[in-house]
Amino acid sequence: GENVEQHPSTLSVQEGDSAVIKCTYSDSASNYFPWYKQELGKGPQLIIDIRSNVGEKKDQRIAVTLNKTAKHFSLHITETQPEDSAVYFCAANSYSGGGADGLTFGKGTHLIIQP
Amino acid sequence: GAGVSQSPSNKVTEKGKDVELRCDPISGHTALYWYRQSLGQGLEFLIYFQGNSAPDKSGLPSDRFSAERTGGSVSTLTIQRTQQEDSAVYLCASSLQGSRYNEQFFGPGTRLTVL
Repeated sequence: GENVEQHPSTLSVQEGDSAVIKCTYSDSASNYFPWYKQELGKGPQLIIDIRSNVGEKKDQRIAVTLNKTAKHFSLHITETQPEDSAVYFCAANSYSGGGADGLTFGKGTHLIIQP
Repeated sequence: GAGVSQSPSNKVTEKGKDVELRCDPISGHTALYWYRQSLGQGLEFLIYFQGNSAPDKSGLPSDRFSAERTGGSVSTLTIQRTQQEDSAVYLCASSLQGSRYNEQFFGPGTRLTVL
């Protein structure tokens, strides 16, 4: 089945700086890669996703890049703000495990924005 | 419109007791997922329902875990004879249909503590 590795587990950056979170996946059949943000006491919320037919997608301060050959994808947040502080999860869809249409998640990155 | 709701938000139980966790998906969503989130871990897939099809139970960790979905809407996750290692946040998600690319909307979760 799919295996998703996420790094780092904790990331602390100064407000205004950029943050990068990286994930690798194992199943070359995976073709959908969403990123979720989870604030304290809440469920994860989708912030951006990318399909395997594109290499990059951007939405304001957030961008995701995908390298299918290397099987890794990254989340980039620019001009970080205090409200960006949260746990971020990457995921990849999987044909085995995670349900027929389910997702395999990374273990999460706790992003801390220092004022 | 209402999002995914879960109840109770917190549940404390004694080892050996049975617990039931409830999920109300977004109206009209045919796909429903249960995940488990242990401290410092990612989201672990448990079970997936899609319409009237037989559920995908491949993620259930033991036969003490079961789930039902009545009328294609509300779902109940039951854990029998709870153990301390069952302590975690149980998250429910729903999506419009079981497509590989459909966004999964998460509820706030039920925090289960087994003493």
